[in-house]
Amino acid sequence: GDSVTQMEGPVTLSEEAFLTINCTYTATGYPSLFWYVQYPGEGLQLLLKATKADDKGSNKGFEATYRKETTSFHLEKGSVQVSDSAVYFCALSAGNTGKLIFGQGTTLQVKP
Amino acid sequence: GAVVSQHPSWVICKSGTSVKIECRSLDFQATTMFWYRQFPKQSLMLMATSNEGSKATYEQGVEKDKFLINHASLTLSTLTVTSAHPEDSSFYICSARDSLRTGTLNTEAFFGQGTRLTVV
Repeated sequence: GDSVTQMEGPVTLSEEAFLTINCTYTATGYPSLFWYVQYPGEGLQLLLKATKADDKGSNKGFEATYRKETTSFHLEKGSVQVSDSAVYFCALSAGNTGKLIFGQGTTLQVKP
Repeated sequence: GAVVSQHPSWVICKSGTSVKIECRSLDFQATTMFWYRQFPKQSLMLMATSNEGSKATYEQGVEKDKFLINHASLTLSTLTVTSAHPEDSSFYICSARDSLRTGTLNTEAFFGQGTRLTVV
């Protein structure tokens, strides 16, 4: 079945460091890919998405490119801030059912 | 963006009792809502798809009689954990998509803030 694998955390960085969180997926067909962020005590918020190969999603300085050849959707940010500390989930949605399949989540801790 | 409200945010109940969690789409209609469960430091696992006016579709391994889902209107779905036990303690999250935009490929799903259930 469809699945999403994320790099294990926690990831601890200093402020202004470069961030990469790896995400790879397995899916039949052509899924859409998402990154969601969960701040402490809150629900999930959509960070960015890409619906087809080579699309780049971007928001709040975060970027991810849909790579069909490597089945990846790695999240990057050039300069992280303390306020970026959260749990990040990679997810896919295959077809138009609305169901999301999530990776295990990666905790990011940014220290001043 | 659209707002999905979940209530309560947290609840503590005694073992053997039932707990109802509400999920409301505040400014859009949702014919389909989704219920997820999140264990500590783990990912979200889809429990069921809630369909307005019809029976919910449960994922494999989820007990239908234990987790009752009702989707009585276009803006409200409820999850009732029946005869709760400590192992049901978890973080439950709902999501919904705007029905008017479901024709759009993979429209964004909006999430509620989650409900922390603790069974003692």
